[in-house]
Amino acid sequence: QLQLQESGPGLVKPSETLSLSCTVSGGSISSSSSYWGWIRQPPGKGLEWIGTIYYGGSTYYDPSLKSRVTMSVDTSKNQFSLKLTSVTAADTAVYYCTRRHRVGSGIYHIDYWGQGTLVTVSS
Amino acid sequence: AIQMTQSPSSLSASVGDRVTITCRASQGIRNDLGWYQQKPGEAPKLLIYAVSNLQRGVPSRFSGSGSGTDFTLTISSLQPEDFASYYCLQDFNYPLTFGGGTKVEIK
Repeated sequence: QLQLQESGPGLVKPSETLSLSCTVSGGSISSSSSYWGWIRQPPGKGLEWIGTIYYGGSTYYDPSLKSRVTMSVDTSKNQFSLKLTSVTAADTAVYYCTRRHRVGSGIYHIDYWGQGTLVTVSS
Repeated sequence: AIQMTQSPSSLSASVGDRVTITCRASQGIRNDLGWYQQKPGEAPKLLIYAVSNLQRGVPSRFSGSGSGTDFTLTISSLQPEDFASYYCLQDFNYPLTFGGGTKVEIK
């Protein structure tokens, strides 16, 4: 059973960099049918897709965050990471790491989610 | 980016009711549409992928339909554990985009 677990600081100061990691257990991050990603949810609001990374390093980011986001993969640790620079209060949210899985020719779905971690941006 | 318009934003229903939630895409997304259920304090859970495919372990009272730009999630007989928020997600192209969500409350 695949499991994803987010880790990182729960409080970040404005203008600083938010850094989170996601540890994958029960499966390999180097799976050719898996894409890894981050989704966030501001308190009381809906879900926002941040981006996706493939184990080979290909990345896809939401255009609204692209200038501030970097994702990376560490296959030796079976982990992937998110960095979001120049944060403001608007970046306060629960951050989920996810797996997007290819189940067939051209068919994908996000099937595994971490439990989520609340990151608050405040001085 | 493809816009996903989900309706209604909230609804009140009773146990046993048939519930329908819709999502409209701003352009055609083939069958690349999934539905997620989220309960307070929990991560979203995949219910349906590729419009109408039930994820393993999801009760058969959940079903999905639609094509092109218009999609529907139906709960045939609402159960107490189904009171939650529901989101659609288009997986046709990047950036992936969610509907605004539907909160299903007890009448």
